[in-house]
Amino acid sequence: RKEVEQDPGPFNVPEGATVAFNCTYSNSASQSFFWYRQDCRKEPKLLMSVYSSGNEDGRFTAQLNRASQYISLLIRDSKLSDSATYLCVGTNTGTASKLTFGTGTRLQVTL
Amino acid sequence: NAGVTQTPKFQVLKTGQSMTLQCAQDMNHNSMYWYRQDPGMGLRLIYYSASEGTTDKGEVPNGYNVSRLNKREFSLRLESAAPSQTSVYFCASSEARQGAYPPNFGPGTRLLVL
Repeated sequence: RKEVEQDPGPFNVPEGATVAFNCTYSNSASQSFFWYRQDCRKEPKLLMSVYSSGNEDGRFTAQLNRASQYISLLIRDSKLSDSATYLCVGTNTGTASKLTFGTGTRLQVTL
Repeated sequence: NAGVTQTPKFQVLKTGQSMTLQCAQDMNHNSMYWYRQDPGMGLRLIYYSASEGTTDKGEVPNGYNVSRLNKREFSLRLESAAPSQTSVYFCASSEARQGAYPPNFGPGTRLLVL
């Protein structure tokens, strides 16, 4: 089982829709989580960190559910410019400090 | 600030050739990383350098070597390229090795090994 798993999609949604992605992780020692956004043929860019209490940044909301070992990303009022691949990342803060990336979920927002 | 820069952007090699991928960051970060990204595999860590003067193997180090030249620069060397090393290579840096500091990525190097 992969340490971090994501539904590859694609998720095709109309502009203005609300869309949510989940990401499950298998390592219960994982302590920090992030969502990155990656545009086609570009580098990943940090979208937001994920906190236990949940956090919101404009139209984006991230949640962490430690009991069920998943994190989620909710995008409200989708824009065409939100079309990208969203990478889920988990990490522990031990001496190895290993980041584990999911393979990404592709979102396509259409008119 | 340029952030993380990488050279070259593209490279085509023949099997057995060698090359060095260059990476530099101007954010005064302590930790630097080399990842490769392949379809369906996600980003995989090749090597990392927690601080100047140290390097450690990541998940897929075979066929690669690295040098942390100074705090700013971290290079990746392929001594004898193989077709399996065809990939997109990303360099990244973070303030510290601890997982609370998510890395910043460079623009990537697309490598094709024939």
